[in-house]
Amino acid sequence: QKEVEQNSGPLSVPEGAIASLNCTYSDRGSQSFFWYRQYSGKSPELIMFIYSNGDKEDGRFTAQLNKASQYVSLLIRDSQPSDSATYRCAATTGGFKTIFGAGTRLFVKA
Amino acid sequence: NAGVMQNPRHLVRRRGQEARLRCSPMKGHSHVYWYRQLPEEGLKFMVYLQKENIIDESGMPKERFSAEFPKEGPSILRIQQVVRGDSAAYFCASSPGQGQPPLHFGNGTRLTVT
Repeated sequence: QKEVEQNSGPLSVPEGAIASLNCTYSDRGSQSFFWYRQYSGKSPELIMFIYSNGDKEDGRFTAQLNKASQYVSLLIRDSQPSDSATYRCAATTGGFKTIFGAGTRLFVKA
Repeated sequence: NAGVMQNPRHLVRRRGQEARLRCSPMKGHSHVYWYRQLPEEGLKFMVYLQKENIIDESGMPKERFSAEFPKEGPSILRIQQVVRGDSAAYFCASSPGQGQPPLHFGNGTRLTVT
């Protein structure tokens, strides 16, 4: 079983819509969760982190964590074409390493 | 530029040669992650190190691959006797302490084995 799972997409949304990206994890010992954005040909960039159950908002981004369901999500409000990228969910396991899901490709259509 | 520095950016090796990839973490960061990314695929964890210590190498192939992070100098990912399947982008990232995520990634080394 993969430790961090994401739907590979692609997820296509119109400009101005809300993009919803989802992730599940298998290690109940995971305490910290992260979202990275990676543009094609570039290196990953950390955009959000969340440690506690509930929502965390930062500008147009909201991360949501539900530890009981082992579920993490990222909402992007007012999506822009420049948000088109691969979004990678990551979790820090009990062994302290950070592992990534396969990533979800997001396309925002102008 | 105090970011994570990786070199070389591109590396071409013939089958059977050795590849050495270098990573200098951000200033003040004591821990280094190495990840491998195949084209159109995700980031696969390889190894997590701090200076003079390997914390977790569960993602490293058992043979031909090794990593170190000496007291002085950059972290080195070494691949001996490269094969075509080793062709990938290798990313290094640094974090300030154990259990911290990879906060900053380098630009990666793209290894091509011919």
